[in-house]
Amino acid sequence: NAGVTQTPKFQVLKTGQSMTLQCAQDMNHEYMSWYRQDPGMGLRLIHYSVGAGITDQGEVPNGYNVSRSTTEDFPLRLLSAAPSQTSVYFCASRPLAQILAGDTEAFFGQGTRLTVV
Amino acid sequence: AQSVSQHNHHVILSEAASLELGCNYSYGGTVNLFWYVQYPGQHLQLLLKYFSGDPLVKGIKGFEAEFIKSKFSFNLRKPSVQWSDTAEYFCAVTPTGGGNKLTFGTGTQLKVEL
Repeated sequence: NAGVTQTPKFQVLKTGQSMTLQCAQDMNHEYMSWYRQDPGMGLRLIHYSVGAGITDQGEVPNGYNVSRSTTEDFPLRLLSAAPSQTSVYFCASRPLAQILAGDTEAFFGQGTRLTVV
Repeated sequence: AQSVSQHNHHVILSEAASLELGCNYSYGGTVNLFWYVQYPGQHLQLLLKYFSGDPLVKGIKGFEAEFIKSKFSFNLRKPSVQWSDTAEYFCAVTPTGGGNKLTFGTGTQLKVEL
């Protein structure tokens, strides 16, 4: 099982550049989310989606866009990269039915380490 | 909205020492609680979870956690740590019965020395 796959693993951007972080899962999970991980701040939710065509903002959405055209894919777009977006980004998925039942764990990708210079 | 506090940011232990990592949450209703572990260079993996029933839950690799409702706590314990337990540990919470936002604590970096 591939689980949750993120690409690329590492990326260096110049300030002002744009890019898309890819996330794909093969578990048919409805719920997908993006987190950023910063030292001393844990994981903070950027955006999430409860299914194809439905997205919503998390705790720190500014500077990021998402879309969900298929169940499998949930790309995260940086519109104009800033040094403050230097972070490790994790994509996660969860099955919605289990979320509603209050019984679910999140499955994480390997992460993308992004540096903005 | 729920929140999670982990008071120990960095912990250094010798092999065979006992471990207890603190986790406190804030939320007005019932919650589901998790501990995740992140080994160096790897993604987060679930260690254990509490939904209901016995407040003492056992996870993988000899870890356990106790939910104390009156203290809003879910501390992680292991009687004897190993060098391979060196990792970052995250406590997380989500509201019971349909809450789709998983909120993480700031993490505790554990280093186990030989």
